[in-house]
Amino acid sequence: AQSVTQLGSHVSVSEGALVLLRCNYSSSVPPYLFWYVQYPNQGLQLLLKYTTGATLVKGINGFEAEFKKSETSFHLTKPSAHMSDAAEYFCAVTRRNTGFQKLVFGTGTRLLVSP
Amino acid sequence: EAGVTQFPSHSVIEKGQTVTLRCDPISGHDNLYWYRRVMGKEIKFLLHFVKESKQDESGMPNNRFLAERTGGTYSTLKVQPAELEDSGVYFCASSQGQLTTNEKLFFGSGTQLSVL
Repeated sequence: AQSVTQLGSHVSVSEGALVLLRCNYSSSVPPYLFWYVQYPNQGLQLLLKYTTGATLVKGINGFEAEFKKSETSFHLTKPSAHMSDAAEYFCAVTRRNTGFQKLVFGTGTRLLVSP
Repeated sequence: EAGVTQFPSHSVIEKGQTVTLRCDPISGHDNLYWYRRVMGKEIKFLLHFVKESKQDESGMPNNRFLAERTGGTYSTLKVQPAELEDSGVYFCASSQGQLTTNEKLFFGSGTQLSVL
Protein backbone atom coordinates (compact mmCIF):
# COMPACT_ATOMS: atom_id res chain seq x y z
CA ALA A 1 0.00 0.00 0.00
CA GLN A 2 1.19 3.47 -0.70
CA SER A 3 1.75 5.95 2.08
CA VAL A 4 2.94 9.48 2.58
CA THR A 5 5.11 10.72 5.41
CA GLN A 6 5.39 14.37 6.27
CA LEU A 7 8.17 15.06 8.74
CA GLY A 8 7.17 17.60 11.36
CA SER A 9 3.60 18.42 12.25
CA HIS A 10 4.70 22.02 12.81
CA VAL A 11 7.43 24.05 11.14
CA SER A 12 8.31 27.56 12.30
CA VAL A 13 10.23 30.07 10.22
CA SER A 14 10.87 33.78 10.30
CA GLU A 15 9.53 36.04 7.59
CA GLY A 16 12.04 36.08 4.75
CA ALA A 17 13.58 32.73 5.67
CA LEU A 18 13.66 29.61 3.54
CA VAL A 19 10.65 27.32 3.80
CA LEU A 20 11.29 23.58 3.58
CA LEU A 21 8.46 21.12 4.14
CA ARG A 22 9.39 17.47 3.79
CA CYS A 23 7.42 14.72 2.11
CA ASN A 24 8.43 11.14 1.48
CA TYR A 25 6.26 8.54 -0.18
CA SER A 26 6.26 4.82 -0.56
CA SER A 27 5.10 3.43 -3.84
CA SER A 28 6.20 0.56 -6.00
CA VAL A 29 5.45 2.51 -9.15
CA PRO A 30 5.99 6.16 -10.01
CA PRO A 31 3.09 8.08 -8.56
CA TYR A 32 1.58 11.42 -9.23
CA LEU A 33 2.54 13.77 -6.40
CA PHE A 34 0.75 16.82 -5.05
CA TRP A 35 1.06 19.58 -2.51
CA TYR A 36 -2.11 21.18 -1.20
CA VAL A 37 -2.48 24.13 1.15
CA GLN A 38 -5.32 24.89 3.53
CA TYR A 39 -5.75 28.42 4.81
CA PRO A 40 -8.00 28.95 7.84
CA ASN A 41 -11.68 28.34 7.11
CA GLN A 42 -10.98 27.47 3.49
CA GLY A 43 -10.83 24.32 1.41
CA LEU A 44 -7.68 22.64 0.24
CA GLN A 45 -6.06 24.44 -2.66
CA LEU A 46 -3.63 22.85 -5.09
CA LEU A 47 -0.16 24.37 -4.87
CA LEU A 48 1.56 22.19 -7.43
CA LYS A 49 1.71 18.68 -8.81
CA TYR A 50 4.14 16.33 -10.48
CA THR A 51 2.90 13.83 -13.03
CA THR A 52 5.58 13.24 -15.63
CA GLY A 53 8.43 15.14 -17.23
CA ALA A 54 10.51 17.76 -15.48
CA THR A 55 11.19 16.81 -11.89
CA LEU A 56 11.31 20.38 -10.60
CA VAL A 57 7.78 21.67 -10.43
CA LYS A 58 6.85 25.29 -9.87
CA GLY A 59 3.57 26.16 -8.24
CA ILE A 60 1.61 29.13 -7.08
CA ASN A 61 2.78 31.76 -4.58
CA GLY A 62 6.47 31.11 -5.26
CA PHE A 63 6.48 27.50 -4.08
CA GLU A 64 8.29 24.70 -5.85
CA ALA A 65 8.96 21.01 -5.27
CA GLU A 66 11.39 18.51 -6.68
CA PHE A 67 10.58 14.88 -7.36
CA LYS A 68 13.55 12.71 -6.41
CA LYS A 69 12.85 9.12 -7.32
CA SER A 70 16.03 7.78 -5.72
CA GLU A 71 15.05 9.36 -2.40
CA THR A 72 11.27 8.84 -2.82
CA SER A 73 10.86 12.44 -1.83
CA PHE A 74 8.86 15.45 -2.95
CA HIS A 75 9.91 18.26 -0.62
CA LEU A 76 8.24 21.65 -0.87
CA THR A 77 10.34 24.81 -0.78
CA LYS A 78 10.01 28.56 -0.98
CA PRO A 79 13.06 30.84 -0.90
CA SER A 80 11.53 33.54 1.27
CA ALA A 81 8.59 33.06 3.61
CA HIS A 82 5.82 35.60 3.81
CA MET A 83 3.37 36.04 6.66
CA SER A 84 0.56 35.03 4.30
CA ASP A 85 2.17 31.59 3.86
CA ALA A 86 1.05 30.58 7.35
CA ALA A 87 -1.27 27.64 6.71
CA GLU A 88 -1.40 23.87 6.79
CA TYR A 89 0.27 22.00 3.96
CA PHE A 90 -0.54 18.51 2.77
CA CYS A 91 1.46 16.20 0.55
CA ALA A 92 -0.51 13.62 -1.41
CA VAL A 93 0.05 10.84 -3.93
CA THR A 94 -2.03 8.88 -6.35
CA ARG A 95 -1.16 6.23 -8.88
CA ARG A 96 -2.27 4.22 -11.84
CA ASN A 97 -3.73 1.23 -10.02
CA THR A 98 -6.43 3.47 -8.59
CA GLY A 99 -6.93 5.10 -11.96
CA PHE A 100 -5.33 8.15 -10.39
CA GLN A 101 -8.69 8.81 -8.70
CA LYS A 102 -7.82 8.29 -5.07
CA LEU A 103 -5.50 10.66 -3.24
CA VAL A 104 -3.50 9.39 -0.27
CA PHE A 105 -2.54 12.26 2.00
CA GLY A 106 0.11 12.81 4.61
CA THR A 107 -0.80 14.04 8.09
CA GLY A 108 -0.11 17.65 7.21
CA THR A 109 2.45 20.22 8.33
CA ARG A 110 1.40 23.50 9.86
CA LEU A 111 3.68 26.34 8.81
CA LEU A 112 4.07 29.17 11.31
CA VAL A 113 5.67 32.41 10.12
CA SER A 114 6.91 34.93 12.65
CA PRO A 115 7.73 38.58 11.93
CA GLU B 1 -18.20 30.89 -10.53
CA ALA B 2 -19.14 29.29 -7.22
CA GLY B 3 -16.73 26.79 -5.74
CA VAL B 4 -17.52 23.54 -3.97
CA THR B 5 -20.00 24.30 -1.22
CA GLN B 6 -20.50 22.24 1.90
CA PHE B 7 -23.26 22.53 4.46
CA PRO B 8 -23.25 22.80 7.38
CA SER B 9 -19.83 24.15 8.20
CA HIS B 10 -20.11 22.80 11.72
CA SER B 11 -22.34 20.17 13.31
CA VAL B 12 -22.43 19.08 16.92
CA ILE B 13 -24.54 16.04 17.71
CA GLU B 14 -24.84 13.41 20.39
CA LYS B 15 -23.77 9.84 19.99
CA GLY B 16 -26.56 7.82 18.43
CA GLN B 17 -28.07 10.70 16.50
CA THR B 18 -28.20 11.04 12.74
CA VAL B 19 -26.41 13.71 10.74
CA THR B 20 -26.56 14.51 7.05
CA LEU B 21 -23.80 16.45 5.34
CA ARG B 22 -24.35 18.06 1.98
CA CYS B 23 -21.98 18.91 -0.83
CA ASP B 24 -22.71 21.01 -3.89
CA PRO B 25 -19.95 20.52 -6.45
CA ILE B 26 -18.97 23.03 -9.07
CA SER B 27 -21.63 23.09 -11.77
CA GLY B 28 -20.83 20.65 -14.56
CA HIS B 29 -18.42 18.56 -12.52
CA ASP B 30 -19.25 14.89 -12.99
CA ASN B 31 -16.74 13.63 -10.44
CA LEU B 32 -17.43 14.10 -6.75
CA TYR B 33 -15.29 12.82 -3.89
CA TRP B 34 -15.70 12.62 -0.14
CA TYR B 35 -12.70 12.67 2.20
CA ARG B 36 -12.44 12.75 5.98
CA ARG B 37 -9.82 13.99 8.40
CA VAL B 38 -9.93 12.67 11.92
CA MET B 39 -8.19 15.12 14.27
CA GLY B 40 -4.44 15.09 13.93
CA LYS B 41 -4.41 12.38 11.33
CA GLU B 42 -4.23 12.23 7.57
CA ILE B 43 -7.06 13.10 5.22
CA LYS B 44 -8.57 9.81 4.06
CA PHE B 45 -10.54 8.97 0.94
CA LEU B 46 -14.11 7.84 1.53
CA LEU B 47 -15.70 7.49 -1.89
CA HIS B 48 -15.93 8.71 -5.46
CA PHE B 49 -19.01 9.38 -7.59
CA VAL B 50 -19.11 9.70 -11.33
CA LYS B 51 -22.39 11.45 -11.95
CA GLU B 52 -24.86 9.51 -9.81
CA SER B 53 -22.87 6.25 -9.76
CA LYS B 54 -20.48 5.19 -7.03
CA GLN B 55 -17.18 4.56 -8.75
CA ASP B 56 -15.23 3.61 -5.66
CA GLU B 57 -16.53 3.38 -2.11
CA SER B 58 -13.62 1.43 -0.69
CA GLY B 59 -12.91 4.08 1.93
CA MET B 60 -16.30 4.09 3.60
CA PRO B 61 -15.69 3.07 7.22
CA ASN B 62 -18.79 0.93 7.78
CA ASN B 63 -22.47 0.62 6.98
CA ARG B 64 -23.40 3.50 9.26
CA PHE B 65 -22.27 5.77 6.44
CA LEU B 66 -24.49 6.27 3.40
CA ALA B 67 -23.60 8.51 0.50
CA GLU B 68 -25.96 9.47 -2.27
CA ARG B 69 -25.86 11.64 -5.34
CA THR B 70 -29.31 11.57 -6.83
CA GLY B 71 -29.48 13.17 -10.26
CA GLY B 72 -25.75 13.52 -10.38
CA THR B 73 -25.72 16.99 -8.86
CA TYR B 74 -25.34 17.53 -5.14
CA SER B 75 -24.35 14.74 -2.78
CA THR B 76 -25.27 13.87 0.78
CA LEU B 77 -23.36 11.85 3.32
CA LYS B 78 -25.47 10.49 6.15
CA VAL B 79 -24.10 9.01 9.34
CA GLN B 80 -26.62 6.93 11.27
CA PRO B 81 -26.18 6.35 14.14
CA ALA B 82 -23.20 8.58 14.80
CA GLU B 83 -20.39 7.33 17.05
CA LEU B 84 -17.66 9.26 18.85
CA GLU B 85 -15.00 8.12 16.38
CA ASP B 86 -16.92 9.72 13.50
CA SER B 87 -15.83 13.15 14.67
CA GLY B 88 -13.63 14.96 12.20
CA VAL B 89 -13.67 17.21 9.18
CA TYR B 90 -15.49 15.90 6.13
CA PHE B 91 -14.27 17.33 2.86
CA CYS B 92 -15.98 17.20 -0.48
CA ALA B 93 -14.14 17.72 -3.75
CA SER B 94 -15.12 17.78 -7.40
CA SER B 95 -13.54 17.68 -10.82
CA GLN B 96 -14.88 18.00 -14.32
CA GLY B 97 -13.21 14.89 -15.66
CA GLN B 98 -11.22 12.04 -14.26
CA LEU B 99 -8.02 13.06 -12.50
CA THR B 100 -5.46 12.87 -15.27
CA THR B 101 -2.42 14.96 -15.97
CA ASN B 102 -4.31 18.15 -16.66
CA GLU B 103 -7.37 17.74 -14.47
CA LYS B 104 -7.70 19.62 -11.20
CA LEU B 105 -9.51 18.76 -8.00
CA PHE B 106 -11.44 21.50 -6.20
CA PHE B 107 -12.13 21.11 -2.48
CA GLY B 108 -14.83 22.56 -0.30
CA SER B 109 -14.01 24.08 3.07
CA GLY B 110 -15.29 21.05 4.90
CA THR B 111 -17.86 20.19 7.57
CA GLN B 112 -16.52 19.94 11.10
CA LEU B 113 -18.50 17.14 12.77
CA SER B 114 -18.32 16.73 16.52
CA VAL B 115 -20.01 13.73 18.10
CA LEU B 116 -20.40 14.06 21.87
